Amino acid sequence: GQNIDQPTEMTATEGAIVQINCTYQTSGFNGLFWYQQHAGEAPTFLSYNVLDGLEEKGRFSSFLSRSKGYSYLLLKELQMKDSASYLCAVMDSNYQLIWGAGTKLIIKP
Amino acid sequence: GAVVSQHPSWVICKSGTSVKIECRSLDFQATTMFWYRQFPKQSLMLMATSNEGSKATYEQGVEKDKFLINHASLTLSTLTVTSAHPEDSSFYICSASVGQDYNEQFFGPGTRLTVL
Repeated sequence: GQNIDQPTEMTATEGAIVQINCTYQTSGFNGLFWYQQHAGEAPTFLSYNVLDGLEEKGRFSSFLSRSKGYSYLLLKELQMKDSASYLCAVMDSNYQLIWGAGTKLIIKP
Repeated sequence: GAVVSQHPSWVICKSGTSVKIECRSLDFQATTMFWYRQFPKQSLMLMATSNEGSKATYEQGVEKDKFLINHASLTLSTLTVTSAHPEDSSFYICSASVGQDYNEQFFGPGTRLTVL
C-alpha cells in the first residue's frame, strides 16, 4: 500500500529553527509537495521537490532523498504566524497526490 | 498566481436537503479539478477527480450518487451533496491543476458544510 508518515505534532520556540520530517512509500514518484494549512483554511503551496537535494525559498527550505523515501521541511527564524499544520504529499505514478496526515506545529513565545 | 474560488464559504442546511458547492478557476483554465473532504484534525481525503467534459473518477468508498460532480467547463466544477445528513458535515475543498503533469494543485478556500 501507499503510505506517508510525518509526526503528528511538534513544538518550537519563536525565532528558532524546526525540521519536519516526512517518509513515504508510494507506487512511483512524480514529486513531493509541502503545504501549509492554518486552522479552518485550505492548504497553501510551500514547495515542490522532484530531484534530490535542498530547495531554499526564503525562511523555508525543503529537502528530498528519493533513494531513502525521505523529505524534510526546514523552517528558520520561526514566527508566531508559522503555527499551522504542515502537510506532506507525494504524487504517485498515476499523478495522484497521496497525503500525509499533517504535522501540527505549535510556536511558543 | 493561479486563483481558485469556492462558493459558498459556509452553509448550514437541514438533514435531507441538497447542497451545491461551486469551484471556479478565476485566471486560468483548469484541466483537472479535485474535490477533497477534511474532517477536524484529519488530513485531506480525495473524493473525486474530474476532467472537463467527462465523468468524474470517484475514490473507493465515495458514493457517486450522493456526491454529484459536474465539470461543465474548464473553469467551473460543482459538487452537489444530495440528501445531506449530519455525518456529511465537513470541510470541502476543491483544487485545480493545469496540464497533464499535475505539477501543482491550486486550492480553493474551502466550504464548511454543517448539516443539522
